[in-house]
Amino acid sequence: AQSVTQLDSHVSVSEGTPVLLRCNYSSSYSPSLFWYVQHPNKGLQLLLKYTSAATLVKGINGFEAEFKKSETSFHLTKPSAHMSDAAEYFCVVSEANQAGTALIFGKGTTLSVSS
Amino acid sequence: NAGVTQTPKFQVLKTGQSMTLQCAQDMNHEYMSWYRQDPGMGLRLIHYSVGAGITDQGEVPNGYNVSRSTTEDFPLRLLSAAPSQTSVYFCASRSGSGYYGYTFGSGTRLTVV
Repeated sequence: AQSVTQLDSHVSVSEGTPVLLRCNYSSSYSPSLFWYVQHPNKGLQLLLKYTSAATLVKGINGFEAEFKKSETSFHLTKPSAHMSDAAEYFCVVSEANQAGTALIFGKGTTLSVSS
Repeated sequence: NAGVTQTPKFQVLKTGQSMTLQCAQDMNHEYMSWYRQDPGMGLRLIHYSVGAGITDQGEVPNGYNVSRSTTEDFPLRLLSAAPSQTSVYFCASRSGSGYYGYTFGSGTRLTVV
């Protein structure tokens, strides 16, 4: 079975400093991996996705993630945090089953950004 | 606007009551699913559907029923609400032609007292 582990439940950064949100996964197959963001009292928005093309994936709002198969990691980074980046972030892996695919979510990382 | 629409946005139920959470999408997506979000748990799959007339259970199906009579609609029924079903519920859909990521609705916040 596939699973996702987000290594930090809470990350705090100052505005203008780099962001690193860590994610490890386990998968028996070549996975599809995603990062979703959820702002307070909002739905989920897709930040970026990896589907076996380039290992460095660029997403919206300056975020990017690198797929490292040898480390089974898919960490999310941003060079310079903005106040509007404060939100909860979910690392997600797709699980292919007989009938279709479902998403397996990590437990989430809350990003706080201070001025 | 194209997307996934969930109604209602908020609901308070008494223990033992039943209700239906509505989900509709206008993107002709084949795959639809329901998740519940609880603090510190991420999102967990309740039920999913790969097309009209086809549904299956996810990780936490107990206490919930679904049906898929049309491509557009995927309602979630709570048969007899319990306080443990207090949660935020998200409906999501995606195209079956390739993996482009799911589109999520804005959620239904349900409280069972």
